Amino acid sequence: DQQVKQNSPSLSVQEGRISILNCDYTNSMFDYFLWYKKYPAEGPTFLISISSIKDKNEDGRFTVFLNKSAKHLSLHIVPSQPGDSAVYFCAADYGGSQGNLIFGKGTKLSVKP
Amino acid sequence: KAGVTQTPRYLIKTRGQQVTLSCSPISGHRSVSWYQQTPGQGLQFLFEYFSETQRNKGNFPGRFSGRQFSNSRSEMNVSTLELGDSALYLCASSFNSATYEQYFGPGTRLTVT
Repeated sequence: DQQVKQNSPSLSVQEGRISILNCDYTNSMFDYFLWYKKYPAEGPTFLISISSIKDKNEDGRFTVFLNKSAKHLSLHIVPSQPGDSAVYFCAADYGGSQGNLIFGKGTKLSVKP
Repeated sequence: KAGVTQTPRYLIKTRGQQVTLSCSPISGHRSVSWYQQTPGQGLQFLFEYFSETQRNKGNFPGRFSGRQFSNSRSEMNVSTLELGDSALYLCASSFNSATYEQYFGPGTRLTVT
């Protein structure tokens, strides 16, 4: 049973437009959420995170929104750039340490010039 | 600063054999986690080591084991390999066990035939 779900396996966006990647979770005990980006032949790279006590966290072009009542979070990339083309993983944790990270299966983002 | 390194990058083994994978964390990082990535299950947490002690363990059979040395380098071992063990094995390091900002290595691609 998947506790973290990324229902869109792929997303295609035009350069300069907004990319919105979505993630749903089922465990209300999760208290920290992260997004990772992964290029082919490389390991995932930490992108941005949000604590359950917040509903928004911004870092440059990347913003993560958390809707606890809907058990939903989203990553917004504005403006999207071709270099953003990668697989994006959503992850959640409730154990207070990285050891309990539960990952989604990822969404492949393609940003077209 | 050098990143996380994993050796070997690619490995082909036959069923029933055992395999040992190696991970060298970023200098100064004391926490090392291992993940298995497969197309069907996504990224799944295997275990985490901190200061030579296993801190957390995921839901994998006892055939999967690991250890960490005093210099924080870590190895994971899989005994009696099965076809389903074919996967990308990722190692991630962080400064301590309480931070979520992990740095991933490029992974070891294991193919079991």
